[in-house]
Amino acid sequence: QKEVEQNSGPLSVPEGAIASLNCTYSDRGSQSFFWYRQYSGKSPELIMFIYSNGDKEDGRFTAQLNKASQYVSLLIRDSQPSDSATYLCAVKGGYSTLTFGKGTMLLVSP
Amino acid sequence: ETGVTQTPRHLVMGMTNKKSLKCEQHLGHNAMYWYKQSAKKPLELMFVYNFKEQTENNSVPSRFSPECPNSSHLFLHLHTLQPEDSALYLCASSQGSEDTQYFGPGTRLTVL
Repeated sequence: QKEVEQNSGPLSVPEGAIASLNCTYSDRGSQSFFWYRQYSGKSPELIMFIYSNGDKEDGRFTAQLNKASQYVSLLIRDSQPSDSATYLCAVKGGYSTLTFGKGTMLLVSP
Repeated sequence: ETGVTQTPRHLVMGMTNKKSLKCEQHLGHNAMYWYKQSAKKPLELMFVYNFKEQTENNSVPSRFSPECPNSSHLFLHLHTLQPEDSALYLCASSQGSEDTQYFGPGTRLTVL
């Protein structure tokens, strides 16, 4: 059974701080890693994907992947109240479909 | 319209009713998916269609019946559902089954 684990939170950070969201996965064969943001009552929207070990930056967002540790994280710099949402980590193997974690709720206070 | 659309957005049905959920994607993608999202549970993949052919059925009860008449449209036919089937049903699409998935707004289903 492929598993993706996330701390459910909520993770509370003040406005302007760095929010760090973490995810671990069980399948060593996983090749693609995705972060989705889901606002309450809305559908998930893709923020970033990463395939290679290391960091990938896009604006205020940085995804970090460490395949040896089976760990992927999302850093949000200069957090804004509008970043308050649930962040879903999703992992994909070679020919398999996406496996999602339960998500981490992020609360950014003004 | 752009992206992935779903209708209806909200649906309340009794256990003896028959209803259908519709999904349409305007992205030119070839793969489409149905997911179920229940409270405090991860997104659960239900069905995958690739070029109109069902490639995955994740042990979904037969009271859920998918239909994919073409690469742009996907239906989920519902009959004799149970209250525990109440959830947010999400449709997604991707260029190929290996590619990034984009989600529709979902249908909030309540079974009485």
